[in-house]
Amino acid sequence: NAGVTQTPKFQVLKTGQSMTLQCAQDMNHEYMSWYRQDPGMGLRLIHYSVGAGITDQGEVPNGYNVSRSTTEDFPLRLLSAAPSQTSVYFCASSYGNTGELFFGEGSRLTVL
Amino acid sequence: AQSVTQLGSHVSVSEGALVLLRCNYSSSVPPYLFWYVQYPNQGLQLLLKYTTGATLVKGINGFEAEFKKSETSFHLTKPSAHMSDAAEYFCAVSRSAGTALIFGKGTTLSVSS
Repeated sequence: NAGVTQTPKFQVLKTGQSMTLQCAQDMNHEYMSWYRQDPGMGLRLIHYSVGAGITDQGEVPNGYNVSRSTTEDFPLRLLSAAPSQTSVYFCASSYGNTGELFFGEGSRLTVL
Repeated sequence: AQSVTQLGSHVSVSEGALVLLRCNYSSSVPPYLFWYVQYPNQGLQLLLKYTTGATLVKGINGFEAEFKKSETSFHLTKPSAHMSDAAEYFCAVSRSAGTALIFGKGTTLSVSS
């Protein structure tokens, strides 16, 4: 069982570059979300989706875009990377009525 | 809006001692409450959750938590710490199942022999 798969696991970008973090789940979960984890800050919600075609902003959405064209995939796009976006990014999914999040292994992004 | 406060960014206990990790929440509606654990270089995994019903919730690895509405608390406990419990622990709240989880800043648990 693959669960939640994130790619890439590591990425180094230069300021101003764009990139997409991929997230895919094979559990037919309706709900998917992106968090960033920074030391001493815990996990902060960037964007989330309650189903295909529906997305909403979380606590820290600026500088990030998302779309949800299929149930399985929820990519996170950095439009113009900044050093403040250096972080570990986690994708998570859940089945609608459980509230239990299943997390990917994380993507470590460094912006120089 | 929901929020979570975890008291103590770092807790140290001896092996065999009681583990108590504190979590207070703010929510305008009856909350769903969760504790997650993160081992080094891994994602988070669910320890336990409270949605409705019994206020004392038992989870994996001998952990439990009690929902106290009057105190807006959801503290995590374990009677006897093991070395393998050393990890970072996160409390989280949501309005209902299937909606966004808001996490606390985390508490790092250290266990010494």
